[in-house]
Amino acid sequence: NAGVTQTPKFRILKIGQSMTLQCAQDMNHNYMYWYRQDPGMGLKLIYYSVGAGITDKGEVPNGYNVSRSTTEDFPLRLELAAPSQTSVYFCASTVDWGGPQHFGDGTRLSIL
Amino acid sequence: ELKVEQNPLFLSMQEGKNYTIYCNYSTTSDRLYWYRQDPGKSLESLFVLLSNGAVKQEGRLMASLDTKARLSTLHITAAVHDLSATYFCAVDPILTGGGNKLTFGTGTQLKVEL
Repeated sequence: NAGVTQTPKFRILKIGQSMTLQCAQDMNHNYMYWYRQDPGMGLKLIYYSVGAGITDKGEVPNGYNVSRSTTEDFPLRLELAAPSQTSVYFCASTVDWGGPQHFGDGTRLSIL
Repeated sequence: ELKVEQNPLFLSMQEGKNYTIYCNYSTTSDRLYWYRQDPGKSLESLFVLLSNGAVKQEGRLMASLDTKARLSTLHITAAVHDLSATYFCAVDPILTGGGNKLTFGTGTQLKVEL
C-alpha cells in the first residue's frame, strides 16, 4: 500500500495563479482532510470530507475549494493565489472515529 | 474556539534524562492524539488516547490523558538522541458534529544532546 500520496511535492506560483494539489489514498478510508502548516506552527484544518460527495469547511477555508467525487481522491484547489497561502500543505485520511490520521508527505508551496 | 496549548515550546535535554511535555486544551474532549514530526518530514502517529485515564506506552515514550483536567502528558524516559523531533498533540472536541476534526497544538521542539 502506498498510503496517502500527495503531488506535487514542491511548487512555486505567481500571485493570482491557480492550481490544484492532488491527494490520493489507497486504504479505503472514508475521512480525508487538508491541513496547512506555517513555519514553526501546528497544523490548521482547511477542509475535510467524511465520504464521497460530502465536504465541509475547517478552520481556515478562505481561498480554497475541495471536491470529493471518489473515496480515493480529495483534491484541493487554490484560486487566485496570494502570498499568505505560502505554506506546507498536508493531506490526511482515517478510517473512522477514533482512528489516527495518516498523513501524506506534504506539498511545499511558495507564492511570489 | 478550541485552544490547544503545549509547553514547553522548546526543550533541550541531555541523553539519559527524563522529562514531560504538557498539552492543555480548552473544551470537553475524550479524544487526544500525539504525533511526531522530523524536520522537513510528515507527521507520524504516536498515540491515540480515547478515554479518561488512558495510558499508552511505546519504548521510551508514555502518554496519558486526564479529561477532567483537560490535560495530556507525554513523558520521556532516559532520552536518546533519536527522539529529537517536534511533538504535537491534537484534540478532537466532542461537540463538533463528528468528522474526527483535529485542532493541533503549536508543537514542542525537542532536542536531545549527545
